[in-house]
Amino acid sequence: NAGVTQTPKFRVLKTGQSMTLLCAQDMNHEYMYWYRQDPGMGLRLIHYSVGEGTTAKGEVPDGYNVSRLKKQNFLLGLESAAPSQTSVYFCASKAGGETQYFGPGTRLLVL
Amino acid sequence: GENVEQHPSTLSVQEGDSAVIKCTYSDSASNYFPWYKQELGKGPQLIIDIRSNVGEKKDQRIAVTLNKTAKHFSLHITETQPEDSAVYFCAASKHTGTASKLTFGTGTRLQVTL
Repeated sequence: NAGVTQTPKFRVLKTGQSMTLLCAQDMNHEYMYWYRQDPGMGLRLIHYSVGEGTTAKGEVPDGYNVSRLKKQNFLLGLESAAPSQTSVYFCASKAGGETQYFGPGTRLLVL
Repeated sequence: GENVEQHPSTLSVQEGDSAVIKCTYSDSASNYFPWYKQELGKGPQLIIDIRSNVGEKKDQRIAVTLNKTAKHFSLHITETQPEDSAVYFCAASKHTGTASKLTFGTGTRLQVTL
């Protein structure tokens, strides 16, 4: 099993450009999460999903959209990137228990 | 909402010594407290967790203690080794059988020196 994978690993955007980050998991997990990690601030929840076709807002959802069309995939979209969205983005998934399993991260730089 | 504070932000110990990282939480309804280790360039990885019905849990050189009354929990690493060098995050959540959203502390950078 690959676990949780994220695409791309690194991306540079110009202000105003759009992009989609892909998270995929092969563990048949129901729940999926998107976090951002900034220096000195830990991980903050952006959006999450409790199952295929569902999404919900987390702590810092502004400027992001998500979709969960397939159970194994959770997409994070930036419609108009801003420098404040420069961060490292982590996806996580879990089954019915408490443990969340994290992907390797996507480093995004917005110029 | 839940607020988790973590201290210290950096910690340097000599190989073989013990390391202790402390966290406090604000929501008395939180009942699940995991600890994650993040190595450079990688995602966080669960190393140990504890539930609110348990006061202490140990796994080889790693232990976690929980004081529900004081709303704080701690990670203890004994006989530290260079490979323990990483950033450690504590987290808290109310596990309700559904999404159980985690609130993370701000992290502790542990450096184990030879």
